[in-house]
Amino acid sequence: AQTVTQSQPEMSVQEAETVTLSCTYDTSESDYYLFWYKQPPSRQMILVIRQEAYKQQNATENRFSVNFQKAAKSFSLKISDSQLGDAAMYFCAYRRSTNAGKSTFGDGTTLTVKP
Amino acid sequence: EAGVAQSPRYKIIEKRQSVAFWCNPISGHATLYWYQQILGQGPKLLIQFQNNGVVDDSQLPKDRFSAERLKGVDSTLKIQPAKLEDSAVYLCASSSILDRVNKDTQYFGPGTRLTVL
Repeated sequence: AQTVTQSQPEMSVQEAETVTLSCTYDTSESDYYLFWYKQPPSRQMILVIRQEAYKQQNATENRFSVNFQKAAKSFSLKISDSQLGDAAMYFCAYRRSTNAGKSTFGDGTTLTVKP
Repeated sequence: EAGVAQSPRYKIIEKRQSVAFWCNPISGHATLYWYQQILGQGPKLLIQFQNNGVVDDSQLPKDRFSAERLKGVDSTLKIQPAKLEDSAVYLCASSSILDRVNKDTQYFGPGTRLTVL
């Protein structure tokens, strides 16, 4: 069974600085998706960034980028120029790429942004 | 484009009572998911539908939980009877392999917070 591990329950960052959230996963599949979701206190889960395992290039979305190391099964999220609105819980998720692919989520990292 | 809709947003019941949650996915999304998120944990998949068929319900406690998606659009999740440990947020999500921007990415609703007393 696939597992997703987020080893940092809590992280904090100073406004305008950079922070990296860690995620490792375990799978025997070769083709899959990886996601980072953000869940603010209102609890609406929002997609931050998405990576397809067959793509070697790391995904980037504005201030958010990932470091995808397929061999190491590592998928970290880097937030640059952190803003107060980035404060939330961040979840790493894995999904098989088959049509019936089941998603597995980590237990999340709570990010605090200090002004 | 309207997002995933869920109702009610909050529900408080006593143990052994019944409760039902409703979800309307994004228009055209064939895949619908129900997750249970206990405070401090990541979402756990309860059931996944492809159109009106069940793809995965391996983690659904079938003795008390049931779900249906009769017309392949909206869905209902029911708990009967509820236990204290069912207190959680129930999230609905949908996805589509035809999504050109984010193929097969799940979009989540606001969730229903259930408190069982």
